Amino acid sequence: GAGVSQSPSNKVTEKGKDVELRCDPISGHTALYWYRQSLGQGLEFLIYFQGNSAPDKSGLPSDRFSAERTGGSVSTLTIQRTQQEDSAVYLCASSLSVYNYGYTFGSGTRLTVV
Amino acid sequence: GEDVEQSLFLSVREGDSSVINCTYTDSSSTYLYWYKQEPGAGLQLLTYIFSNMDMKQDQRLTVLLNKKDKHLSLRIADTQTGDSAIYFCADERTGGGNKLTFGTGTQLKVEL
Repeated sequence: GAGVSQSPSNKVTEKGKDVELRCDPISGHTALYWYRQSLGQGLEFLIYFQGNSAPDKSGLPSDRFSAERTGGSVSTLTIQRTQQEDSAVYLCASSLSVYNYGYTFGSGTRLTVV
Repeated sequence: GEDVEQSLFLSVREGDSSVINCTYTDSSSTYLYWYKQEPGAGLQLLTYIFSNMDMKQDQRLTVLLNKKDKHLSLRIADTQTGDSAIYFCADERTGGGNKLTFGTGTQLKVEL
């Protein structure tokens, strides 16, 4: 596609439920990144993919968070048993490869856990 | 250390120059970036500088890098109301897979 597309744009969920966030990168971009933007925390790295593999998962906050990427394209970030502190904007970005400078970001998914 | 720090707010009058500052701690930073985020939108890459450069100019934007002091700045000439946004600096470290460490962002307010 023309840009990085994320869905849903907004999600309100009850504490304890699982959620799936989707990212559709720019066509042909092999590198895909997930960041989280929370009030008072700035932007924190979660995980990145090179193709379908995730060389660095160091930013995932707990084992309730997981992500996968299939076919070198779409990625899903899954949060199990959501907690209120998971409320944030989840941003996805892609780049042609991990050797290219600068990413293109999507508009994000705003997750609110009530 | 992994910190990238910015001041939180900056207010300028339309037509003036804005200077947004950033300090970073990791000496292995290879590229440094400036991103802009408008309300409800994702981050837009404005410009970047390679760590062996001192300055980069791109139209109204000037990036200055003092590698010795680990200080980065973004100057916006002739600031307009459309420049009101949050500006993030970010650094990329060697071998990091292009992973970026972001500052907390500086909210720029442009007043008439």
